[in-house]
Amino acid sequence: DTEVTQTPKHLVMGMTNKKSLKCEQHMGHRAMYWYKQKAKKPPELMFVYSYEKLSINESVPSRFSPECPNSSLLNLHLHALQPEDSALYLCASSQVGSSGANVLTFGAGSRLTVL
Amino acid sequence: AQSVTQPDIHITVSEGASLELRCNYSYGATPYLFWYVQSPGQGLQLLLKYFSGDTLVQGIKGFEAEFKRSQSSFNLRKPSVHWSDAAEYFCAVGGLNTGGFKTIFGAGTRLFVKA
Repeated sequence: DTEVTQTPKHLVMGMTNKKSLKCEQHMGHRAMYWYKQKAKKPPELMFVYSYEKLSINESVPSRFSPECPNSSLLNLHLHALQPEDSALYLCASSQVGSSGANVLTFGAGSRLTVL
Repeated sequence: AQSVTQPDIHITVSEGASLELRCNYSYGATPYLFWYVQSPGQGLQLLLKYFSGDTLVQGIKGFEAEFKRSQSSFNLRKPSVHWSDAAEYFCAVGGLNTGGFKTIFGAGTRLFVKA
C-alpha cells in the first residue's frame, strides 16, 4: 500500500465551526506532515511529526491544532478559522533516516473553504 | 535555512519538443533535491530526487535532472513533451533543521503544452 489517504476531499465551514481533517498511511512511515497550499502557490510547511511527536511547528496560529494519535494517523483540528485560511491542505508522510527522510508521499489533499 | 528559486512562472512548449525547467537552490550543506509534479486539484507526485553520486538522475515519465553544484542548480529536462505533461512542477530542497527534516518548495513552474 503506497497511498496517503485524506478525508474529507472537500470541506466548507463557518468561522465558528469546529472540524477536523484526517490523514492515514499504511506504508510504515514514521514522519508525517501537514502542508497548506493557496491557489497558484507552492505548498507551505505547517507541522512535522516524527515518531508521533510534534517536531516542527512553523509558527502556525493556534486555531490549527495537529494531532498524531498513532503512527498511521494524522489529524488537523480546525477551530475559529478565518476566510483567508481557505486552501488545499496536503498531508504527506516519509521514512525517517538519512537516506529516506525527505521523500514525501502526498495525499490528494482536502480542499477547505471558510465562509 | 534552505531556499529554492524557480525563475519561470510558466512555460509553453509544443508537443514533441524538448523541455527544460530551471531551479536554483540555496543551502549551506549538501542538499537533498527533488522535483515534484502536481496536476490541478491533486497532491504532489515525486518525479526524481538527488541525494549523492551521479549528478544526472533519471526519474519517472521520461524526466531527468542534472545537479550542478558550481551553479547551485538542479534543472529538469525531458527530450520530448507529451500533452499529458501539462501540470505544475515544483523543485524542492530538503535538509536538517532544528526539530527535524524540512522540505521547502520553490514557487513552481506551470507547463502548458501546445498541440
